[in-house]
Amino acid sequence: DAGVIQSPRHEVTEMGQEVTLRCKPISGHNSLFWYRQTMMRGLELLIYFNNNVPIDDSGMPEDRFSAKMPNASFSTLKIQPSEPRDSAVYFCASRERENTYEQYFGPGTRLTVT
Amino acid sequence: QKEVEQNSGPLSVPEGAIASLNCTYSDRGSQSFFWYRQYSGKSPELIMSIYSNGDKEDGRFTAQLNKASQYVSLLIRDSQPSDSATYLCAVKGGNTGFQKLVFGTGTRLLVSP
Repeated sequence: DAGVIQSPRHEVTEMGQEVTLRCKPISGHNSLFWYRQTMMRGLELLIYFNNNVPIDDSGMPEDRFSAKMPNASFSTLKIQPSEPRDSAVYFCASRERENTYEQYFGPGTRLTVT
Repeated sequence: QKEVEQNSGPLSVPEGAIASLNCTYSDRGSQSFFWYRQYSGKSPELIMSIYSNGDKEDGRFTAQLNKASQYVSLLIRDSQPSDSATYLCAVKGGNTGFQKLVFGTGTRLLVSP
């Protein structure tokens, strides 16, 4: 059984470029979370989807960040334009259903913006 | 005040000793508490959950919860070098809504052979 899949695993880009991170949740899971992890701020929730609908995007830092979940098996997190302070590891996690709490994390995408 | 606070460490213990990791939280209405382990360069994985006051044991791991003191801890008995990792405390707050978790910044544990 495949876990959460994220791509790319590493991304290096120049300031001002558009970055798109991708996530495939575990099949059958109906909740999906995007997190950002840095040394200074730890693991921060950016946005949470339930049944493909964005429920809480209060953690999205600013309008440069956007996330979509067009179907139950795919989500994207886009940063446009990217800035050096966006450099972090971005994790996607999925959860089976709303009344459970265990979240399964993907391997993460390490983003470096120069 | 951060919602979930942990000492960043590192916490160094010799092999075979008990490692004690601590976490405090600010939302008194918090209901559910979790410990995740994260190896360097890897993603977090859930190792313990606790929902009521007291102790919960699972193998070498014991989670302790004191809601009155807003304090949750993780004890690792017979620590092994393979336990060396960062341990993240996560809290499902009473007022966060929609069941999202708030994570602490983690405590780095080093177990020396």
